[in-house]
Amino acid sequence: DQQVKQNSPSLSVQEGRISILNCDYTNSMFDYFLWYKKYPAEGPTFLISISSIKDKNEDGRFTVFLNKSAKHLSLHIVPSQPGDSAVYFCAASAGTSGTYKYIFGTGTRLKVLA
Amino acid sequence: DAGVIQSPRHEVTEMGQEVTLRCKPISGHDYLFWYRQTMMRGLELLIYFNNNVPIDDSGMPEDRFSAKMPNASFSTLKIQPSEPRDSAVYFCASSYLGYGYTFGSGTRLTVV
Repeated sequence: DQQVKQNSPSLSVQEGRISILNCDYTNSMFDYFLWYKKYPAEGPTFLISISSIKDKNEDGRFTVFLNKSAKHLSLHIVPSQPGDSAVYFCAASAGTSGTYKYIFGTGTRLKVLA
Repeated sequence: DAGVIQSPRHEVTEMGQEVTLRCKPISGHDYLFWYRQTMMRGLELLIYFNNNVPIDDSGMPEDRFSAKMPNASFSTLKIQPSEPRDSAVYFCASSYLGYGYTFGSGTRLTVV
């Protein structure tokens, strides 16, 4: 059973516009959330994270929003650039319960069109 | 630091053969994770170690899969016997104190 779900396998966005990637989770014990970015033939790399005590975290063009009541988080990329084209994975962990394993979603392939 | 190093990058093997994937974590990292990437399940955690001790192997799909970490700088994931459905990209990741994973470049396994 997928505890972290990314229901959109792919997304295409025009360069300069906003990209919004969505993620839903089912486990209420999750308290730390991350987004990873993956280019072909490379390992995933960390992009941005958010703790459950916050509802927003921003890093340059990337902002992650967390809605705990809806068990939903989203990644906003503004403005989108062709170099952002990659697969984005959402991940969650229940760190305060002493486990450090990240549970990943299935990924969303973002294509930014020039 | 060279990052997390995985070998081989690609492995093609025949069904029934033994396959061994290798990982060298970042020096000083005390957690090591093995993941498998498939289209259907995304990045799926197989097993993780803390200070060379297996902590959670609940994601290991079958007894055909085994993982070891004989020391802080080396881990292996073995599949014996291999089957076509094991074909996937296998990633190793390491972290310090459980946070901020660094992934290797992965091993693409094809079982024919």
